[in-house]
Amino acid sequence: DTEVTQTPKHLVMGMTNKKSLKCEQHMGHRAMYWYKQKAKKPPELMFVYSYEKLSINESVPSRFSPECPNSSLLNLHLHALQPEDSALYLCASSQEEKRTGGSQPQHFGDGTRLSIL
Amino acid sequence: DQQVKQNSPSLSVQEGRISILNCDYTNSMFDYFLWYKKYPAEGPTFLISISSIKDKNEDGRFTVFLNKSAKHLSLHIVPSQPGDSAVYFCAASPYNTDKLIFGTGTRLQVFP
Repeated sequence: DTEVTQTPKHLVMGMTNKKSLKCEQHMGHRAMYWYKQKAKKPPELMFVYSYEKLSINESVPSRFSPECPNSSLLNLHLHALQPEDSALYLCASSQEEKRTGGSQPQHFGDGTRLSIL
Repeated sequence: DQQVKQNSPSLSVQEGRISILNCDYTNSMFDYFLWYKKYPAEGPTFLISISSIKDKNEDGRFTVFLNKSAKHLSLHIVPSQPGDSAVYFCAASPYNTDKLIFGTGTRLQVFP
């Protein structure tokens, strides 16, 4: 059982649609992450939030817009995506940012499989 | 440039024997290393980690070894069980960042 919950599990959208991915954790973690994983490739970091503030953006295109409304919730807003954005999107959380809390493992959700038509 | 490499895409081991999964890295600024297991249609599950100040960490059937001079990391699973069959990713984190850089994964199959 994963303690990081992602919804929806699957999403199919057109290139002109606007949709959002949701991630929730109730472990009291203060750092949350978005990763993108293409088929047969390792996960690649997109964004890091620490104490509800964006701390890392790995040069992600602006058609991906993250939001952290509170310490338990992380959203990824999608708009005008391209077919190459089709991938598995993984959310993760850890107790604290490494800079303040030291090295701690990230715990992952099961992901949202996104298909862009 | 692949900073974290898992050169064996697959490994097959008999139940009860030892499984050894290997990982090499190139960046000497990595200070934290992790192993994750991934089943199909699920996210990566954290297994075990090790700080760069240590050379061994053990948790039940899982032991991680770190050889900093060789920039090499290994995961030992003893004894291997059929339920261990999955894809295993090693990951590394550079000093003072939360970024995780993953290897390409090794598919472990444990047969009876």
